[in-house]
Amino acid sequence: QQQVKQSPQSLIVQKGGISIINCAYENTAFDYFPWYQQFPGKGPALLIAIRPDVSEKKEGRFTISFNKSAKQFSLHIMDSQPGDSATYFCAASITGNTPLVFGKGTRLSVIA
Amino acid sequence: DVKVTQSSRYLVKRTGEKVFLECVQDMDHENMFWYRQDPGLGLRLIYFSYDVKMKEKGDIPEGYSVSREKKERFSLILESASTNQTSMYLCASSSKDASSYNEQFFGPGTRLTVL
Repeated sequence: QQQVKQSPQSLIVQKGGISIINCAYENTAFDYFPWYQQFPGKGPALLIAIRPDVSEKKEGRFTISFNKSAKQFSLHIMDSQPGDSATYFCAASITGNTPLVFGKGTRLSVIA
Repeated sequence: DVKVTQSSRYLVKRTGEKVFLECVQDMDHENMFWYRQDPGLGLRLIYFSYDVKMKEKGDIPEGYSVSREKKERFSLILESASTNQTSMYLCASSSKDASSYNEQFFGPGTRLTVL
């Protein structure tokens, strides 16, 4: 079964610190790697995504780092803020009509 | 503003009842999905559909069925609800257009409790 393994399960970071969430995948055919952010009481929403032709993508304080040879990718949140407190899911898929395969999620708490 | 709506935010049903969860999207998306979300288990795919009247089993289809009679509507059916189906149910949709990169848009979820 296709899998995406996500760690850690939960993370507590001081305000202003760097939050790092890691994911590993098995299927080398995956070519799309998004991160979703979910606030309590809401559905997940796309935060940032990367394709394997680049090793890094940055949008504001959020950066995806991608290591194709290691089959790993990670989300870095710089200058973490209390408003970033949410559950984060990594995912992977093969472009086209295939479903996303999600990691199990990381609950991030940013404390002042 | 793009939208995926789910018929109920909270639902309480009795064991053995037939339960219908409705999902409607207004983005003219071809693809629609049903997930359940449980603590520590993440999002697990129940069923998905790439077109009207089409359906595909996901990772955990047992105890569920689906119906897609119209492009914008995707229904999840629990034929005989059981307590282990107490969960948060999330519907999502996405475009078949390759330029969309499979981005899925999620509804707010239905928290189902089966007593």
